[in-house]
Formats: sequence, structure tokens, C-alpha cells
Amino acid sequence: SQELEQSPQSLIVQEGKNLTINCTSSKTLYGLYWYKQKYGEGLIFLMMLQKGGEEKSHEKITAKLDEKKQQSSLHITASQPSHAGIYLCGADPLTGNQFYFGTGTSLTVIP
Amino acid sequence: EPEVTQTPSHQVTQMGQEVILRCVPISNHLYFYWYRQILGQKVEFLVSFYNNEISEKSEIFDDQFSVERPDGSNFTLKIRSTKLEDSAMYFCASIQASRGYTFGSGTRLTVV
Repeated sequence: SQELEQSPQSLIVQEGKNLTINCTSSKTLYGLYWYKQKYGEGLIFLMMLQKGGEEKSHEKITAKLDEKKQQSSLHITASQPSHAGIYLCGADPLTGNQFYFGTGTSLTVIP
Repeated sequence: EPEVTQTPSHQVTQMGQEVILRCVPISNHLYFYWYRQILGQKVEFLVSFYNNEISEKSEIFDDQFSVERPDGSNFTLKIRSTKLEDSAMYFCASIQASRGYTFGSGTRLTVV
């Protein structure tokens, strides 16, 4: 079965600091998605990466997909309290049509 | 940007009652999905639906669950007799044949 491991499991940073969250797949992906979620609430779509080596940015969040399409990182620059939440990666595998979610990373930003 | 719409956003139901969660997928999408997330846990696959039938389902999707596309726009998840452990966020998703998943914002189901 498809496994998506995220690291770290939780992260506490001071406001203004940079941080990186990683997502590693056991299989090659067709697409890798990043979502943000507040505890107990819905999914907020952030970005989707499809091409090996692709990098996308939105405001202070940058996501990259490696050349092999098995690892992605999400980087937040100059973090703010509004960035706090749970970050989930999701995978659209190359074979089969079932979408998988990562284990999640809980981010706390201390003002 | 086209969206997947889920209603209601929050539903409270008594244990043993039937509940129907509704989703309106993106109009030209062909594959439809339900996922579930128990509070604090991982988002889990429930069922996929294509061409008016279930194409894949997980162990979670037992006889208490059913899905239907009653008309050209809605995609529903029915839980026949709700249990306390059915309390969770339920997410609907749809994709085109060429992929590109879009998830709805979810329905929070609370069984009391």
C-alpha cells in the first residue's frame, strides 16, 4: 500500500523563523498535494506539484518536489501565527486511483 | 476556480439515526470519493465511485455505509444507523479522468 511519511510530526517555532516540513512517499507519484487544516476543520488546498524538480510558491510558502517524484518539502519563510495549523501532504500515485494522505505535521508559531 | 461543495458543514445526529452527507462534485469530473478523518487522526479512504458504481472501498466502508449519485450533480454518503465512532470529518473529492483531485471543505458529523 502507499505510504506517506511526514516529518517532523510537530513543530514549534518562534514567529519570524523559517521552517521546513518534509513528505516522503514509498512510491513514485503522479502528483503531490499540500493542504493546511485547523484542528477539527476542513482542508485548505495550498499547492499541487506534478513535475520532477517542480517548485511552487504562494506568499511565504514554497513547495518543492524532487526529481524522482518521491519526496516533497514545504518551506515557510518568516513564519507568522497565521501559519499555525496542521499541514498534510497528499499523494496521487502513478498507478491506481486512490489518493493517500500523509500523517500530518502540527505547526505552532509562538508570537 | 471550480469547487467541490459539501453540505451541511456540521451535522449533529443521535446514535442509531440515519444520516446523509451531501456533496456536489465538479461538473465534468467522473470519479468521486469519500474520505473520513476522526478527530486528531489521519484522513482515511472510504470509497471510490465511477460510472454509477463503487469501484473500490476500504474495510471501514461496511454495510452501514452506502453511496449514491441520485441525479447528475449530487453524490451522497449515507450512514444507516450511526454509531458514536462514526463521529468524524467526512471529505468528498472528485477528479477528472486525467486526474487532479479536488476536495470539499468537509462535513463534521457528531453522533451523540
